[in-house]
Amino acid sequence: DGGITQSPKYLFRKEGQNVTLSCEQNLNHDAMYWYRQDPGQGLRLIYYSQIVNDFQKGDIAEGYSVSREKKESFPLTVTSAQKNPTAFYLCASSIANIQYFGAGTRLSVL
Amino acid sequence: GENVEQHPSTLSVQEGDSAVIKCTYSDSASNYFPWYKQELGKGPQLIIDIRSNVGEKKDQRIAVTLNKTAKHFSLHITETQPEDSAVYFCAASKGVEGGSEKLVFGKGTKLTVNP
Repeated sequence: DGGITQSPKYLFRKEGQNVTLSCEQNLNHDAMYWYRQDPGQGLRLIYYSQIVNDFQKGDIAEGYSVSREKKESFPLTVTSAQKNPTAFYLCASSIANIQYFGAGTRLSVL
Repeated sequence: GENVEQHPSTLSVQEGDSAVIKCTYSDSASNYFPWYKQELGKGPQLIIDIRSNVGEKKDQRIAVTLNKTAKHFSLHITETQPEDSAVYFCAASKGVEGGSEKLVFGKGTKLTVNP
């Protein structure tokens, strides 16, 4: 079953805590992306990676970090520096400009 | 950088009617324009896309038109059904064939189809 798997589906963060969202793809795509979605805001790009061991900041990278050690995996860490982390986080991978999305992780603050 | 405006933000139609969602973009170098459908609690799904070398593309009840001169593109859904109810996003990028350029998204249109 090919596709993009995000986990967990729901995540809760305590004050001052770092949390990591998982994104795994078995589509053999080179490029991967992380978006944040807030009501009425559409999708805003956090980070993207076009190849293993390389990634670039998107429009709202502050308070987030990523790594791309394997082609299949692009985890996102929401750090304690992100003061308003409550949102729906979407991971995508792409080939030939077509982006395919995972089912998302909903992050809330306790 | 690229900016994509999408209108309307909400749209309500009767089952069987047509729905039209419009987007404008700012960067004349953009050449790839996808449309995504997002159902509640799920990730967006690509429903149709168009590249700048064509003016219109159809797939059953869905069509997309592109006006490069005016820098706008539109999604047309005919014979709407309740299952078409969702949030629709347009996007634009400067991608080339085989490339992986980032997309810039509009803010979305919530479509409601009333039975």
